[in-house]
Amino acid sequence: GAGVSQSPSNKVTEKGKDVELRCDPISGHTALYWYRQSLGQGLEFLIYFQGNSAPDKSGLPSDRFSAERTGGSVSTLTIQRTQQEDSAVYLCASSLLGAGKETQYFGPGTRLLVL
Amino acid sequence: GQSLEQPSEVTAVEGAIVQINCTYQTSGFYGLSWYQQHDGGAPTFLSYNALDGLEETGRFSSFLSRSDSYGYLLLQELQMKDSASYFCAVRGVSGSARQLTFGSGTQLTVLP
Repeated sequence: GAGVSQSPSNKVTEKGKDVELRCDPISGHTALYWYRQSLGQGLEFLIYFQGNSAPDKSGLPSDRFSAERTGGSVSTLTIQRTQQEDSAVYLCASSLLGAGKETQYFGPGTRLLVL
Repeated sequence: GQSLEQPSEVTAVEGAIVQINCTYQTSGFYGLSWYQQHDGGAPTFLSYNALDGLEETGRFSSFLSRSDSYGYLLLQELQMKDSASYFCAVRGVSGSARQLTFGSGTQLTVLP
């Protein structure tokens, strides 16, 4: 079946512009995560959605970052007034909670470059 | 808060065995996972331990000792395609969520 998809795969933008990153999770997965990965670094947790519960936004680095998940499926991560330090790979993952291992399935990521 | 420590780099030769260690500090603990990431690729799930002991999946095994807050990933019969970054990740509690925190990753280089 289809895995997690993300779009765009690459995004180049100018400092100060807003960007929207999209994630389509695996159908039926109740949990959705956003991470950020800078070059050669680990994954930095950003935000977590689980069903209809209020999202866990504790990882968002500033109020320029926001995310929503519509209809319990597709999610959009928005970065307003982008800064050069926002350049990174943004990874989305989904999982089926209650399945024991809660394995996260990652999308290919969006590579964001802020000039 | 939560933190994990793992070596930044490991080098081994084809056919050898390599162990990648991970120590962690968490608020609450639900399990230790391992993910593999090739350059330019997405992380993929390898293994998971919720209880003490060894879990074996083909050439890969993972071990957990909850009393020591320690685990490791063991890769046997190394192949060139195993060259990748390996991340340990702990599911603990942060804020209201059972959050997955990743280590900084271990870059494994397999030499011919």
